[in-house]
Order: sequence, then structure tokens, then C-alpha cells
Amino acid sequence: LAKTTQPISMDSYEGQEVNITCSHNNIATNDYITWYQQFPSQGPRFIIQGYKTKVTNEVASLFIPADRKSSTLSLPRVSLSDTAVYYCLVGDIGYSTLTFGKGTMLLVSP
Amino acid sequence: AAGVIQSPRHLIKEKRETATLKCYPIPRHDTVYWYQQGPGQDPQFLISFYEKMQSDKGSIPDRFSAQQFSDYHSELNMSSLELGDSALYFCASSLERGVNTGELFFGEGSRLTVL
Repeated sequence: LAKTTQPISMDSYEGQEVNITCSHNNIATNDYITWYQQFPSQGPRFIIQGYKTKVTNEVASLFIPADRKSSTLSLPRVSLSDTAVYYCLVGDIGYSTLTFGKGTMLLVSP
Repeated sequence: AAGVIQSPRHLIKEKRETATLKCYPIPRHDTVYWYQQGPGQDPQFLISFYEKMQSDKGSIPDRFSAQQFSDYHSELNMSSLELGDSALYFCASSLERGVNTGELFFGEGSRLTVL
């Protein structure tokens, strides 16, 4: 499975856009990139998934460059409730179990 | 919408005791995953089942065992408990492997405290 590297923590203020970048240099052809959000003492929650280029849903956008060796999760206009740990997972969805690496602790302040 | 149900939500045990955690997946989900998350740690994959058969195995100790039953619920059995087993145990479910989107639906977790 491709190993991922993310910043340990990030700080932001309410209303700002937050971009969290994940490096996955060894991503395989069949691998997808999936992001999860986790609040303290709660199970992780799926945010967004992509294979290449850009994916957008009601919560976030995911930018994936052509070489797919990294990806950026973009959270528009964050609020205090977006304070959480964000995990980038890379794997062949449906055929391999996704493993969690070190996530990014995002702290949003007033 | 129905979610993944885990029980018990909290469990306190003494060292060397046994514990059993239960997981009821979302209806029509046939794949179940177990994760362990220690204090301040990231979720660690333990084991998964598809159609009642073990499909993947992660860092599950030999003292632990798990199975998936005919109704697709799963149980994680932990024996000879150690202090280090104190953690949140999450169960997740998904649709059939090979056709799912990779989205795992997690339960609220079972917090095990070993004294």
C-alpha cells in the first residue's frame, strides 16, 4: 500500500479556506485517494474520494495533479466545527483494506 | 438512515480478563472491518470479513479473535487482556468488496478500559 505523508497539524481561522496536502509518492495505478475526518472519540467519517484531476462535493474539493504523487484537500470557509483530524488514505478500493497513517490535526479558531 | 451499531459503548475489565465487542453493520453491507485506536493514536486496522470469511488481517494480536455471523454481524473476542489493550475499538462496514466506492461507514466505537 502506498504510504502517505501529511502535516501533523494546521491552524486556521473561521471563514478561511484550508488546504491540506498529502504526499503519496508510491501510489499505484489502481489506487484511489480517500479523505476521512475524525472528531474526538468518534469514528472516522468519509469526506471525499478521487482518482485524478479535481473532485468536488458539498463538503470539500480534492485536487490531484497529473502525476498523482500528491493530493490536496480543500475545505472552503471553515468553521469551528471543522476542528478535527483529517486522514489521507491511498489504496485499491474494494480490494485492499484502507489503512490510516498519521493524520493532520486541524484547529480552527474564532 | 441506519448506521453501524456497536455494543457495548463502554467496557471496563481487569487484566487477564476477556471481553467481547459486537458490531452490527448497516443493512445490506456484507463487509466488516475492525480498527483499534489507542489514546492519541491513529486507527490501526485489525481484521476484516467479507461474506463471513476473513478477508484481510492487520495488526491483530494472537489473543484476539473475530468472526462474522450469518446475519453479518461481527464479534471481536479479546482474551488475556493487557493494560495496552485499552483503546477505542471501531467497527466499520461497507458494500461488497470489488464494487464499493471505498467508503467505510464507522460506528461510534466501543471504549475498552483495562485496569
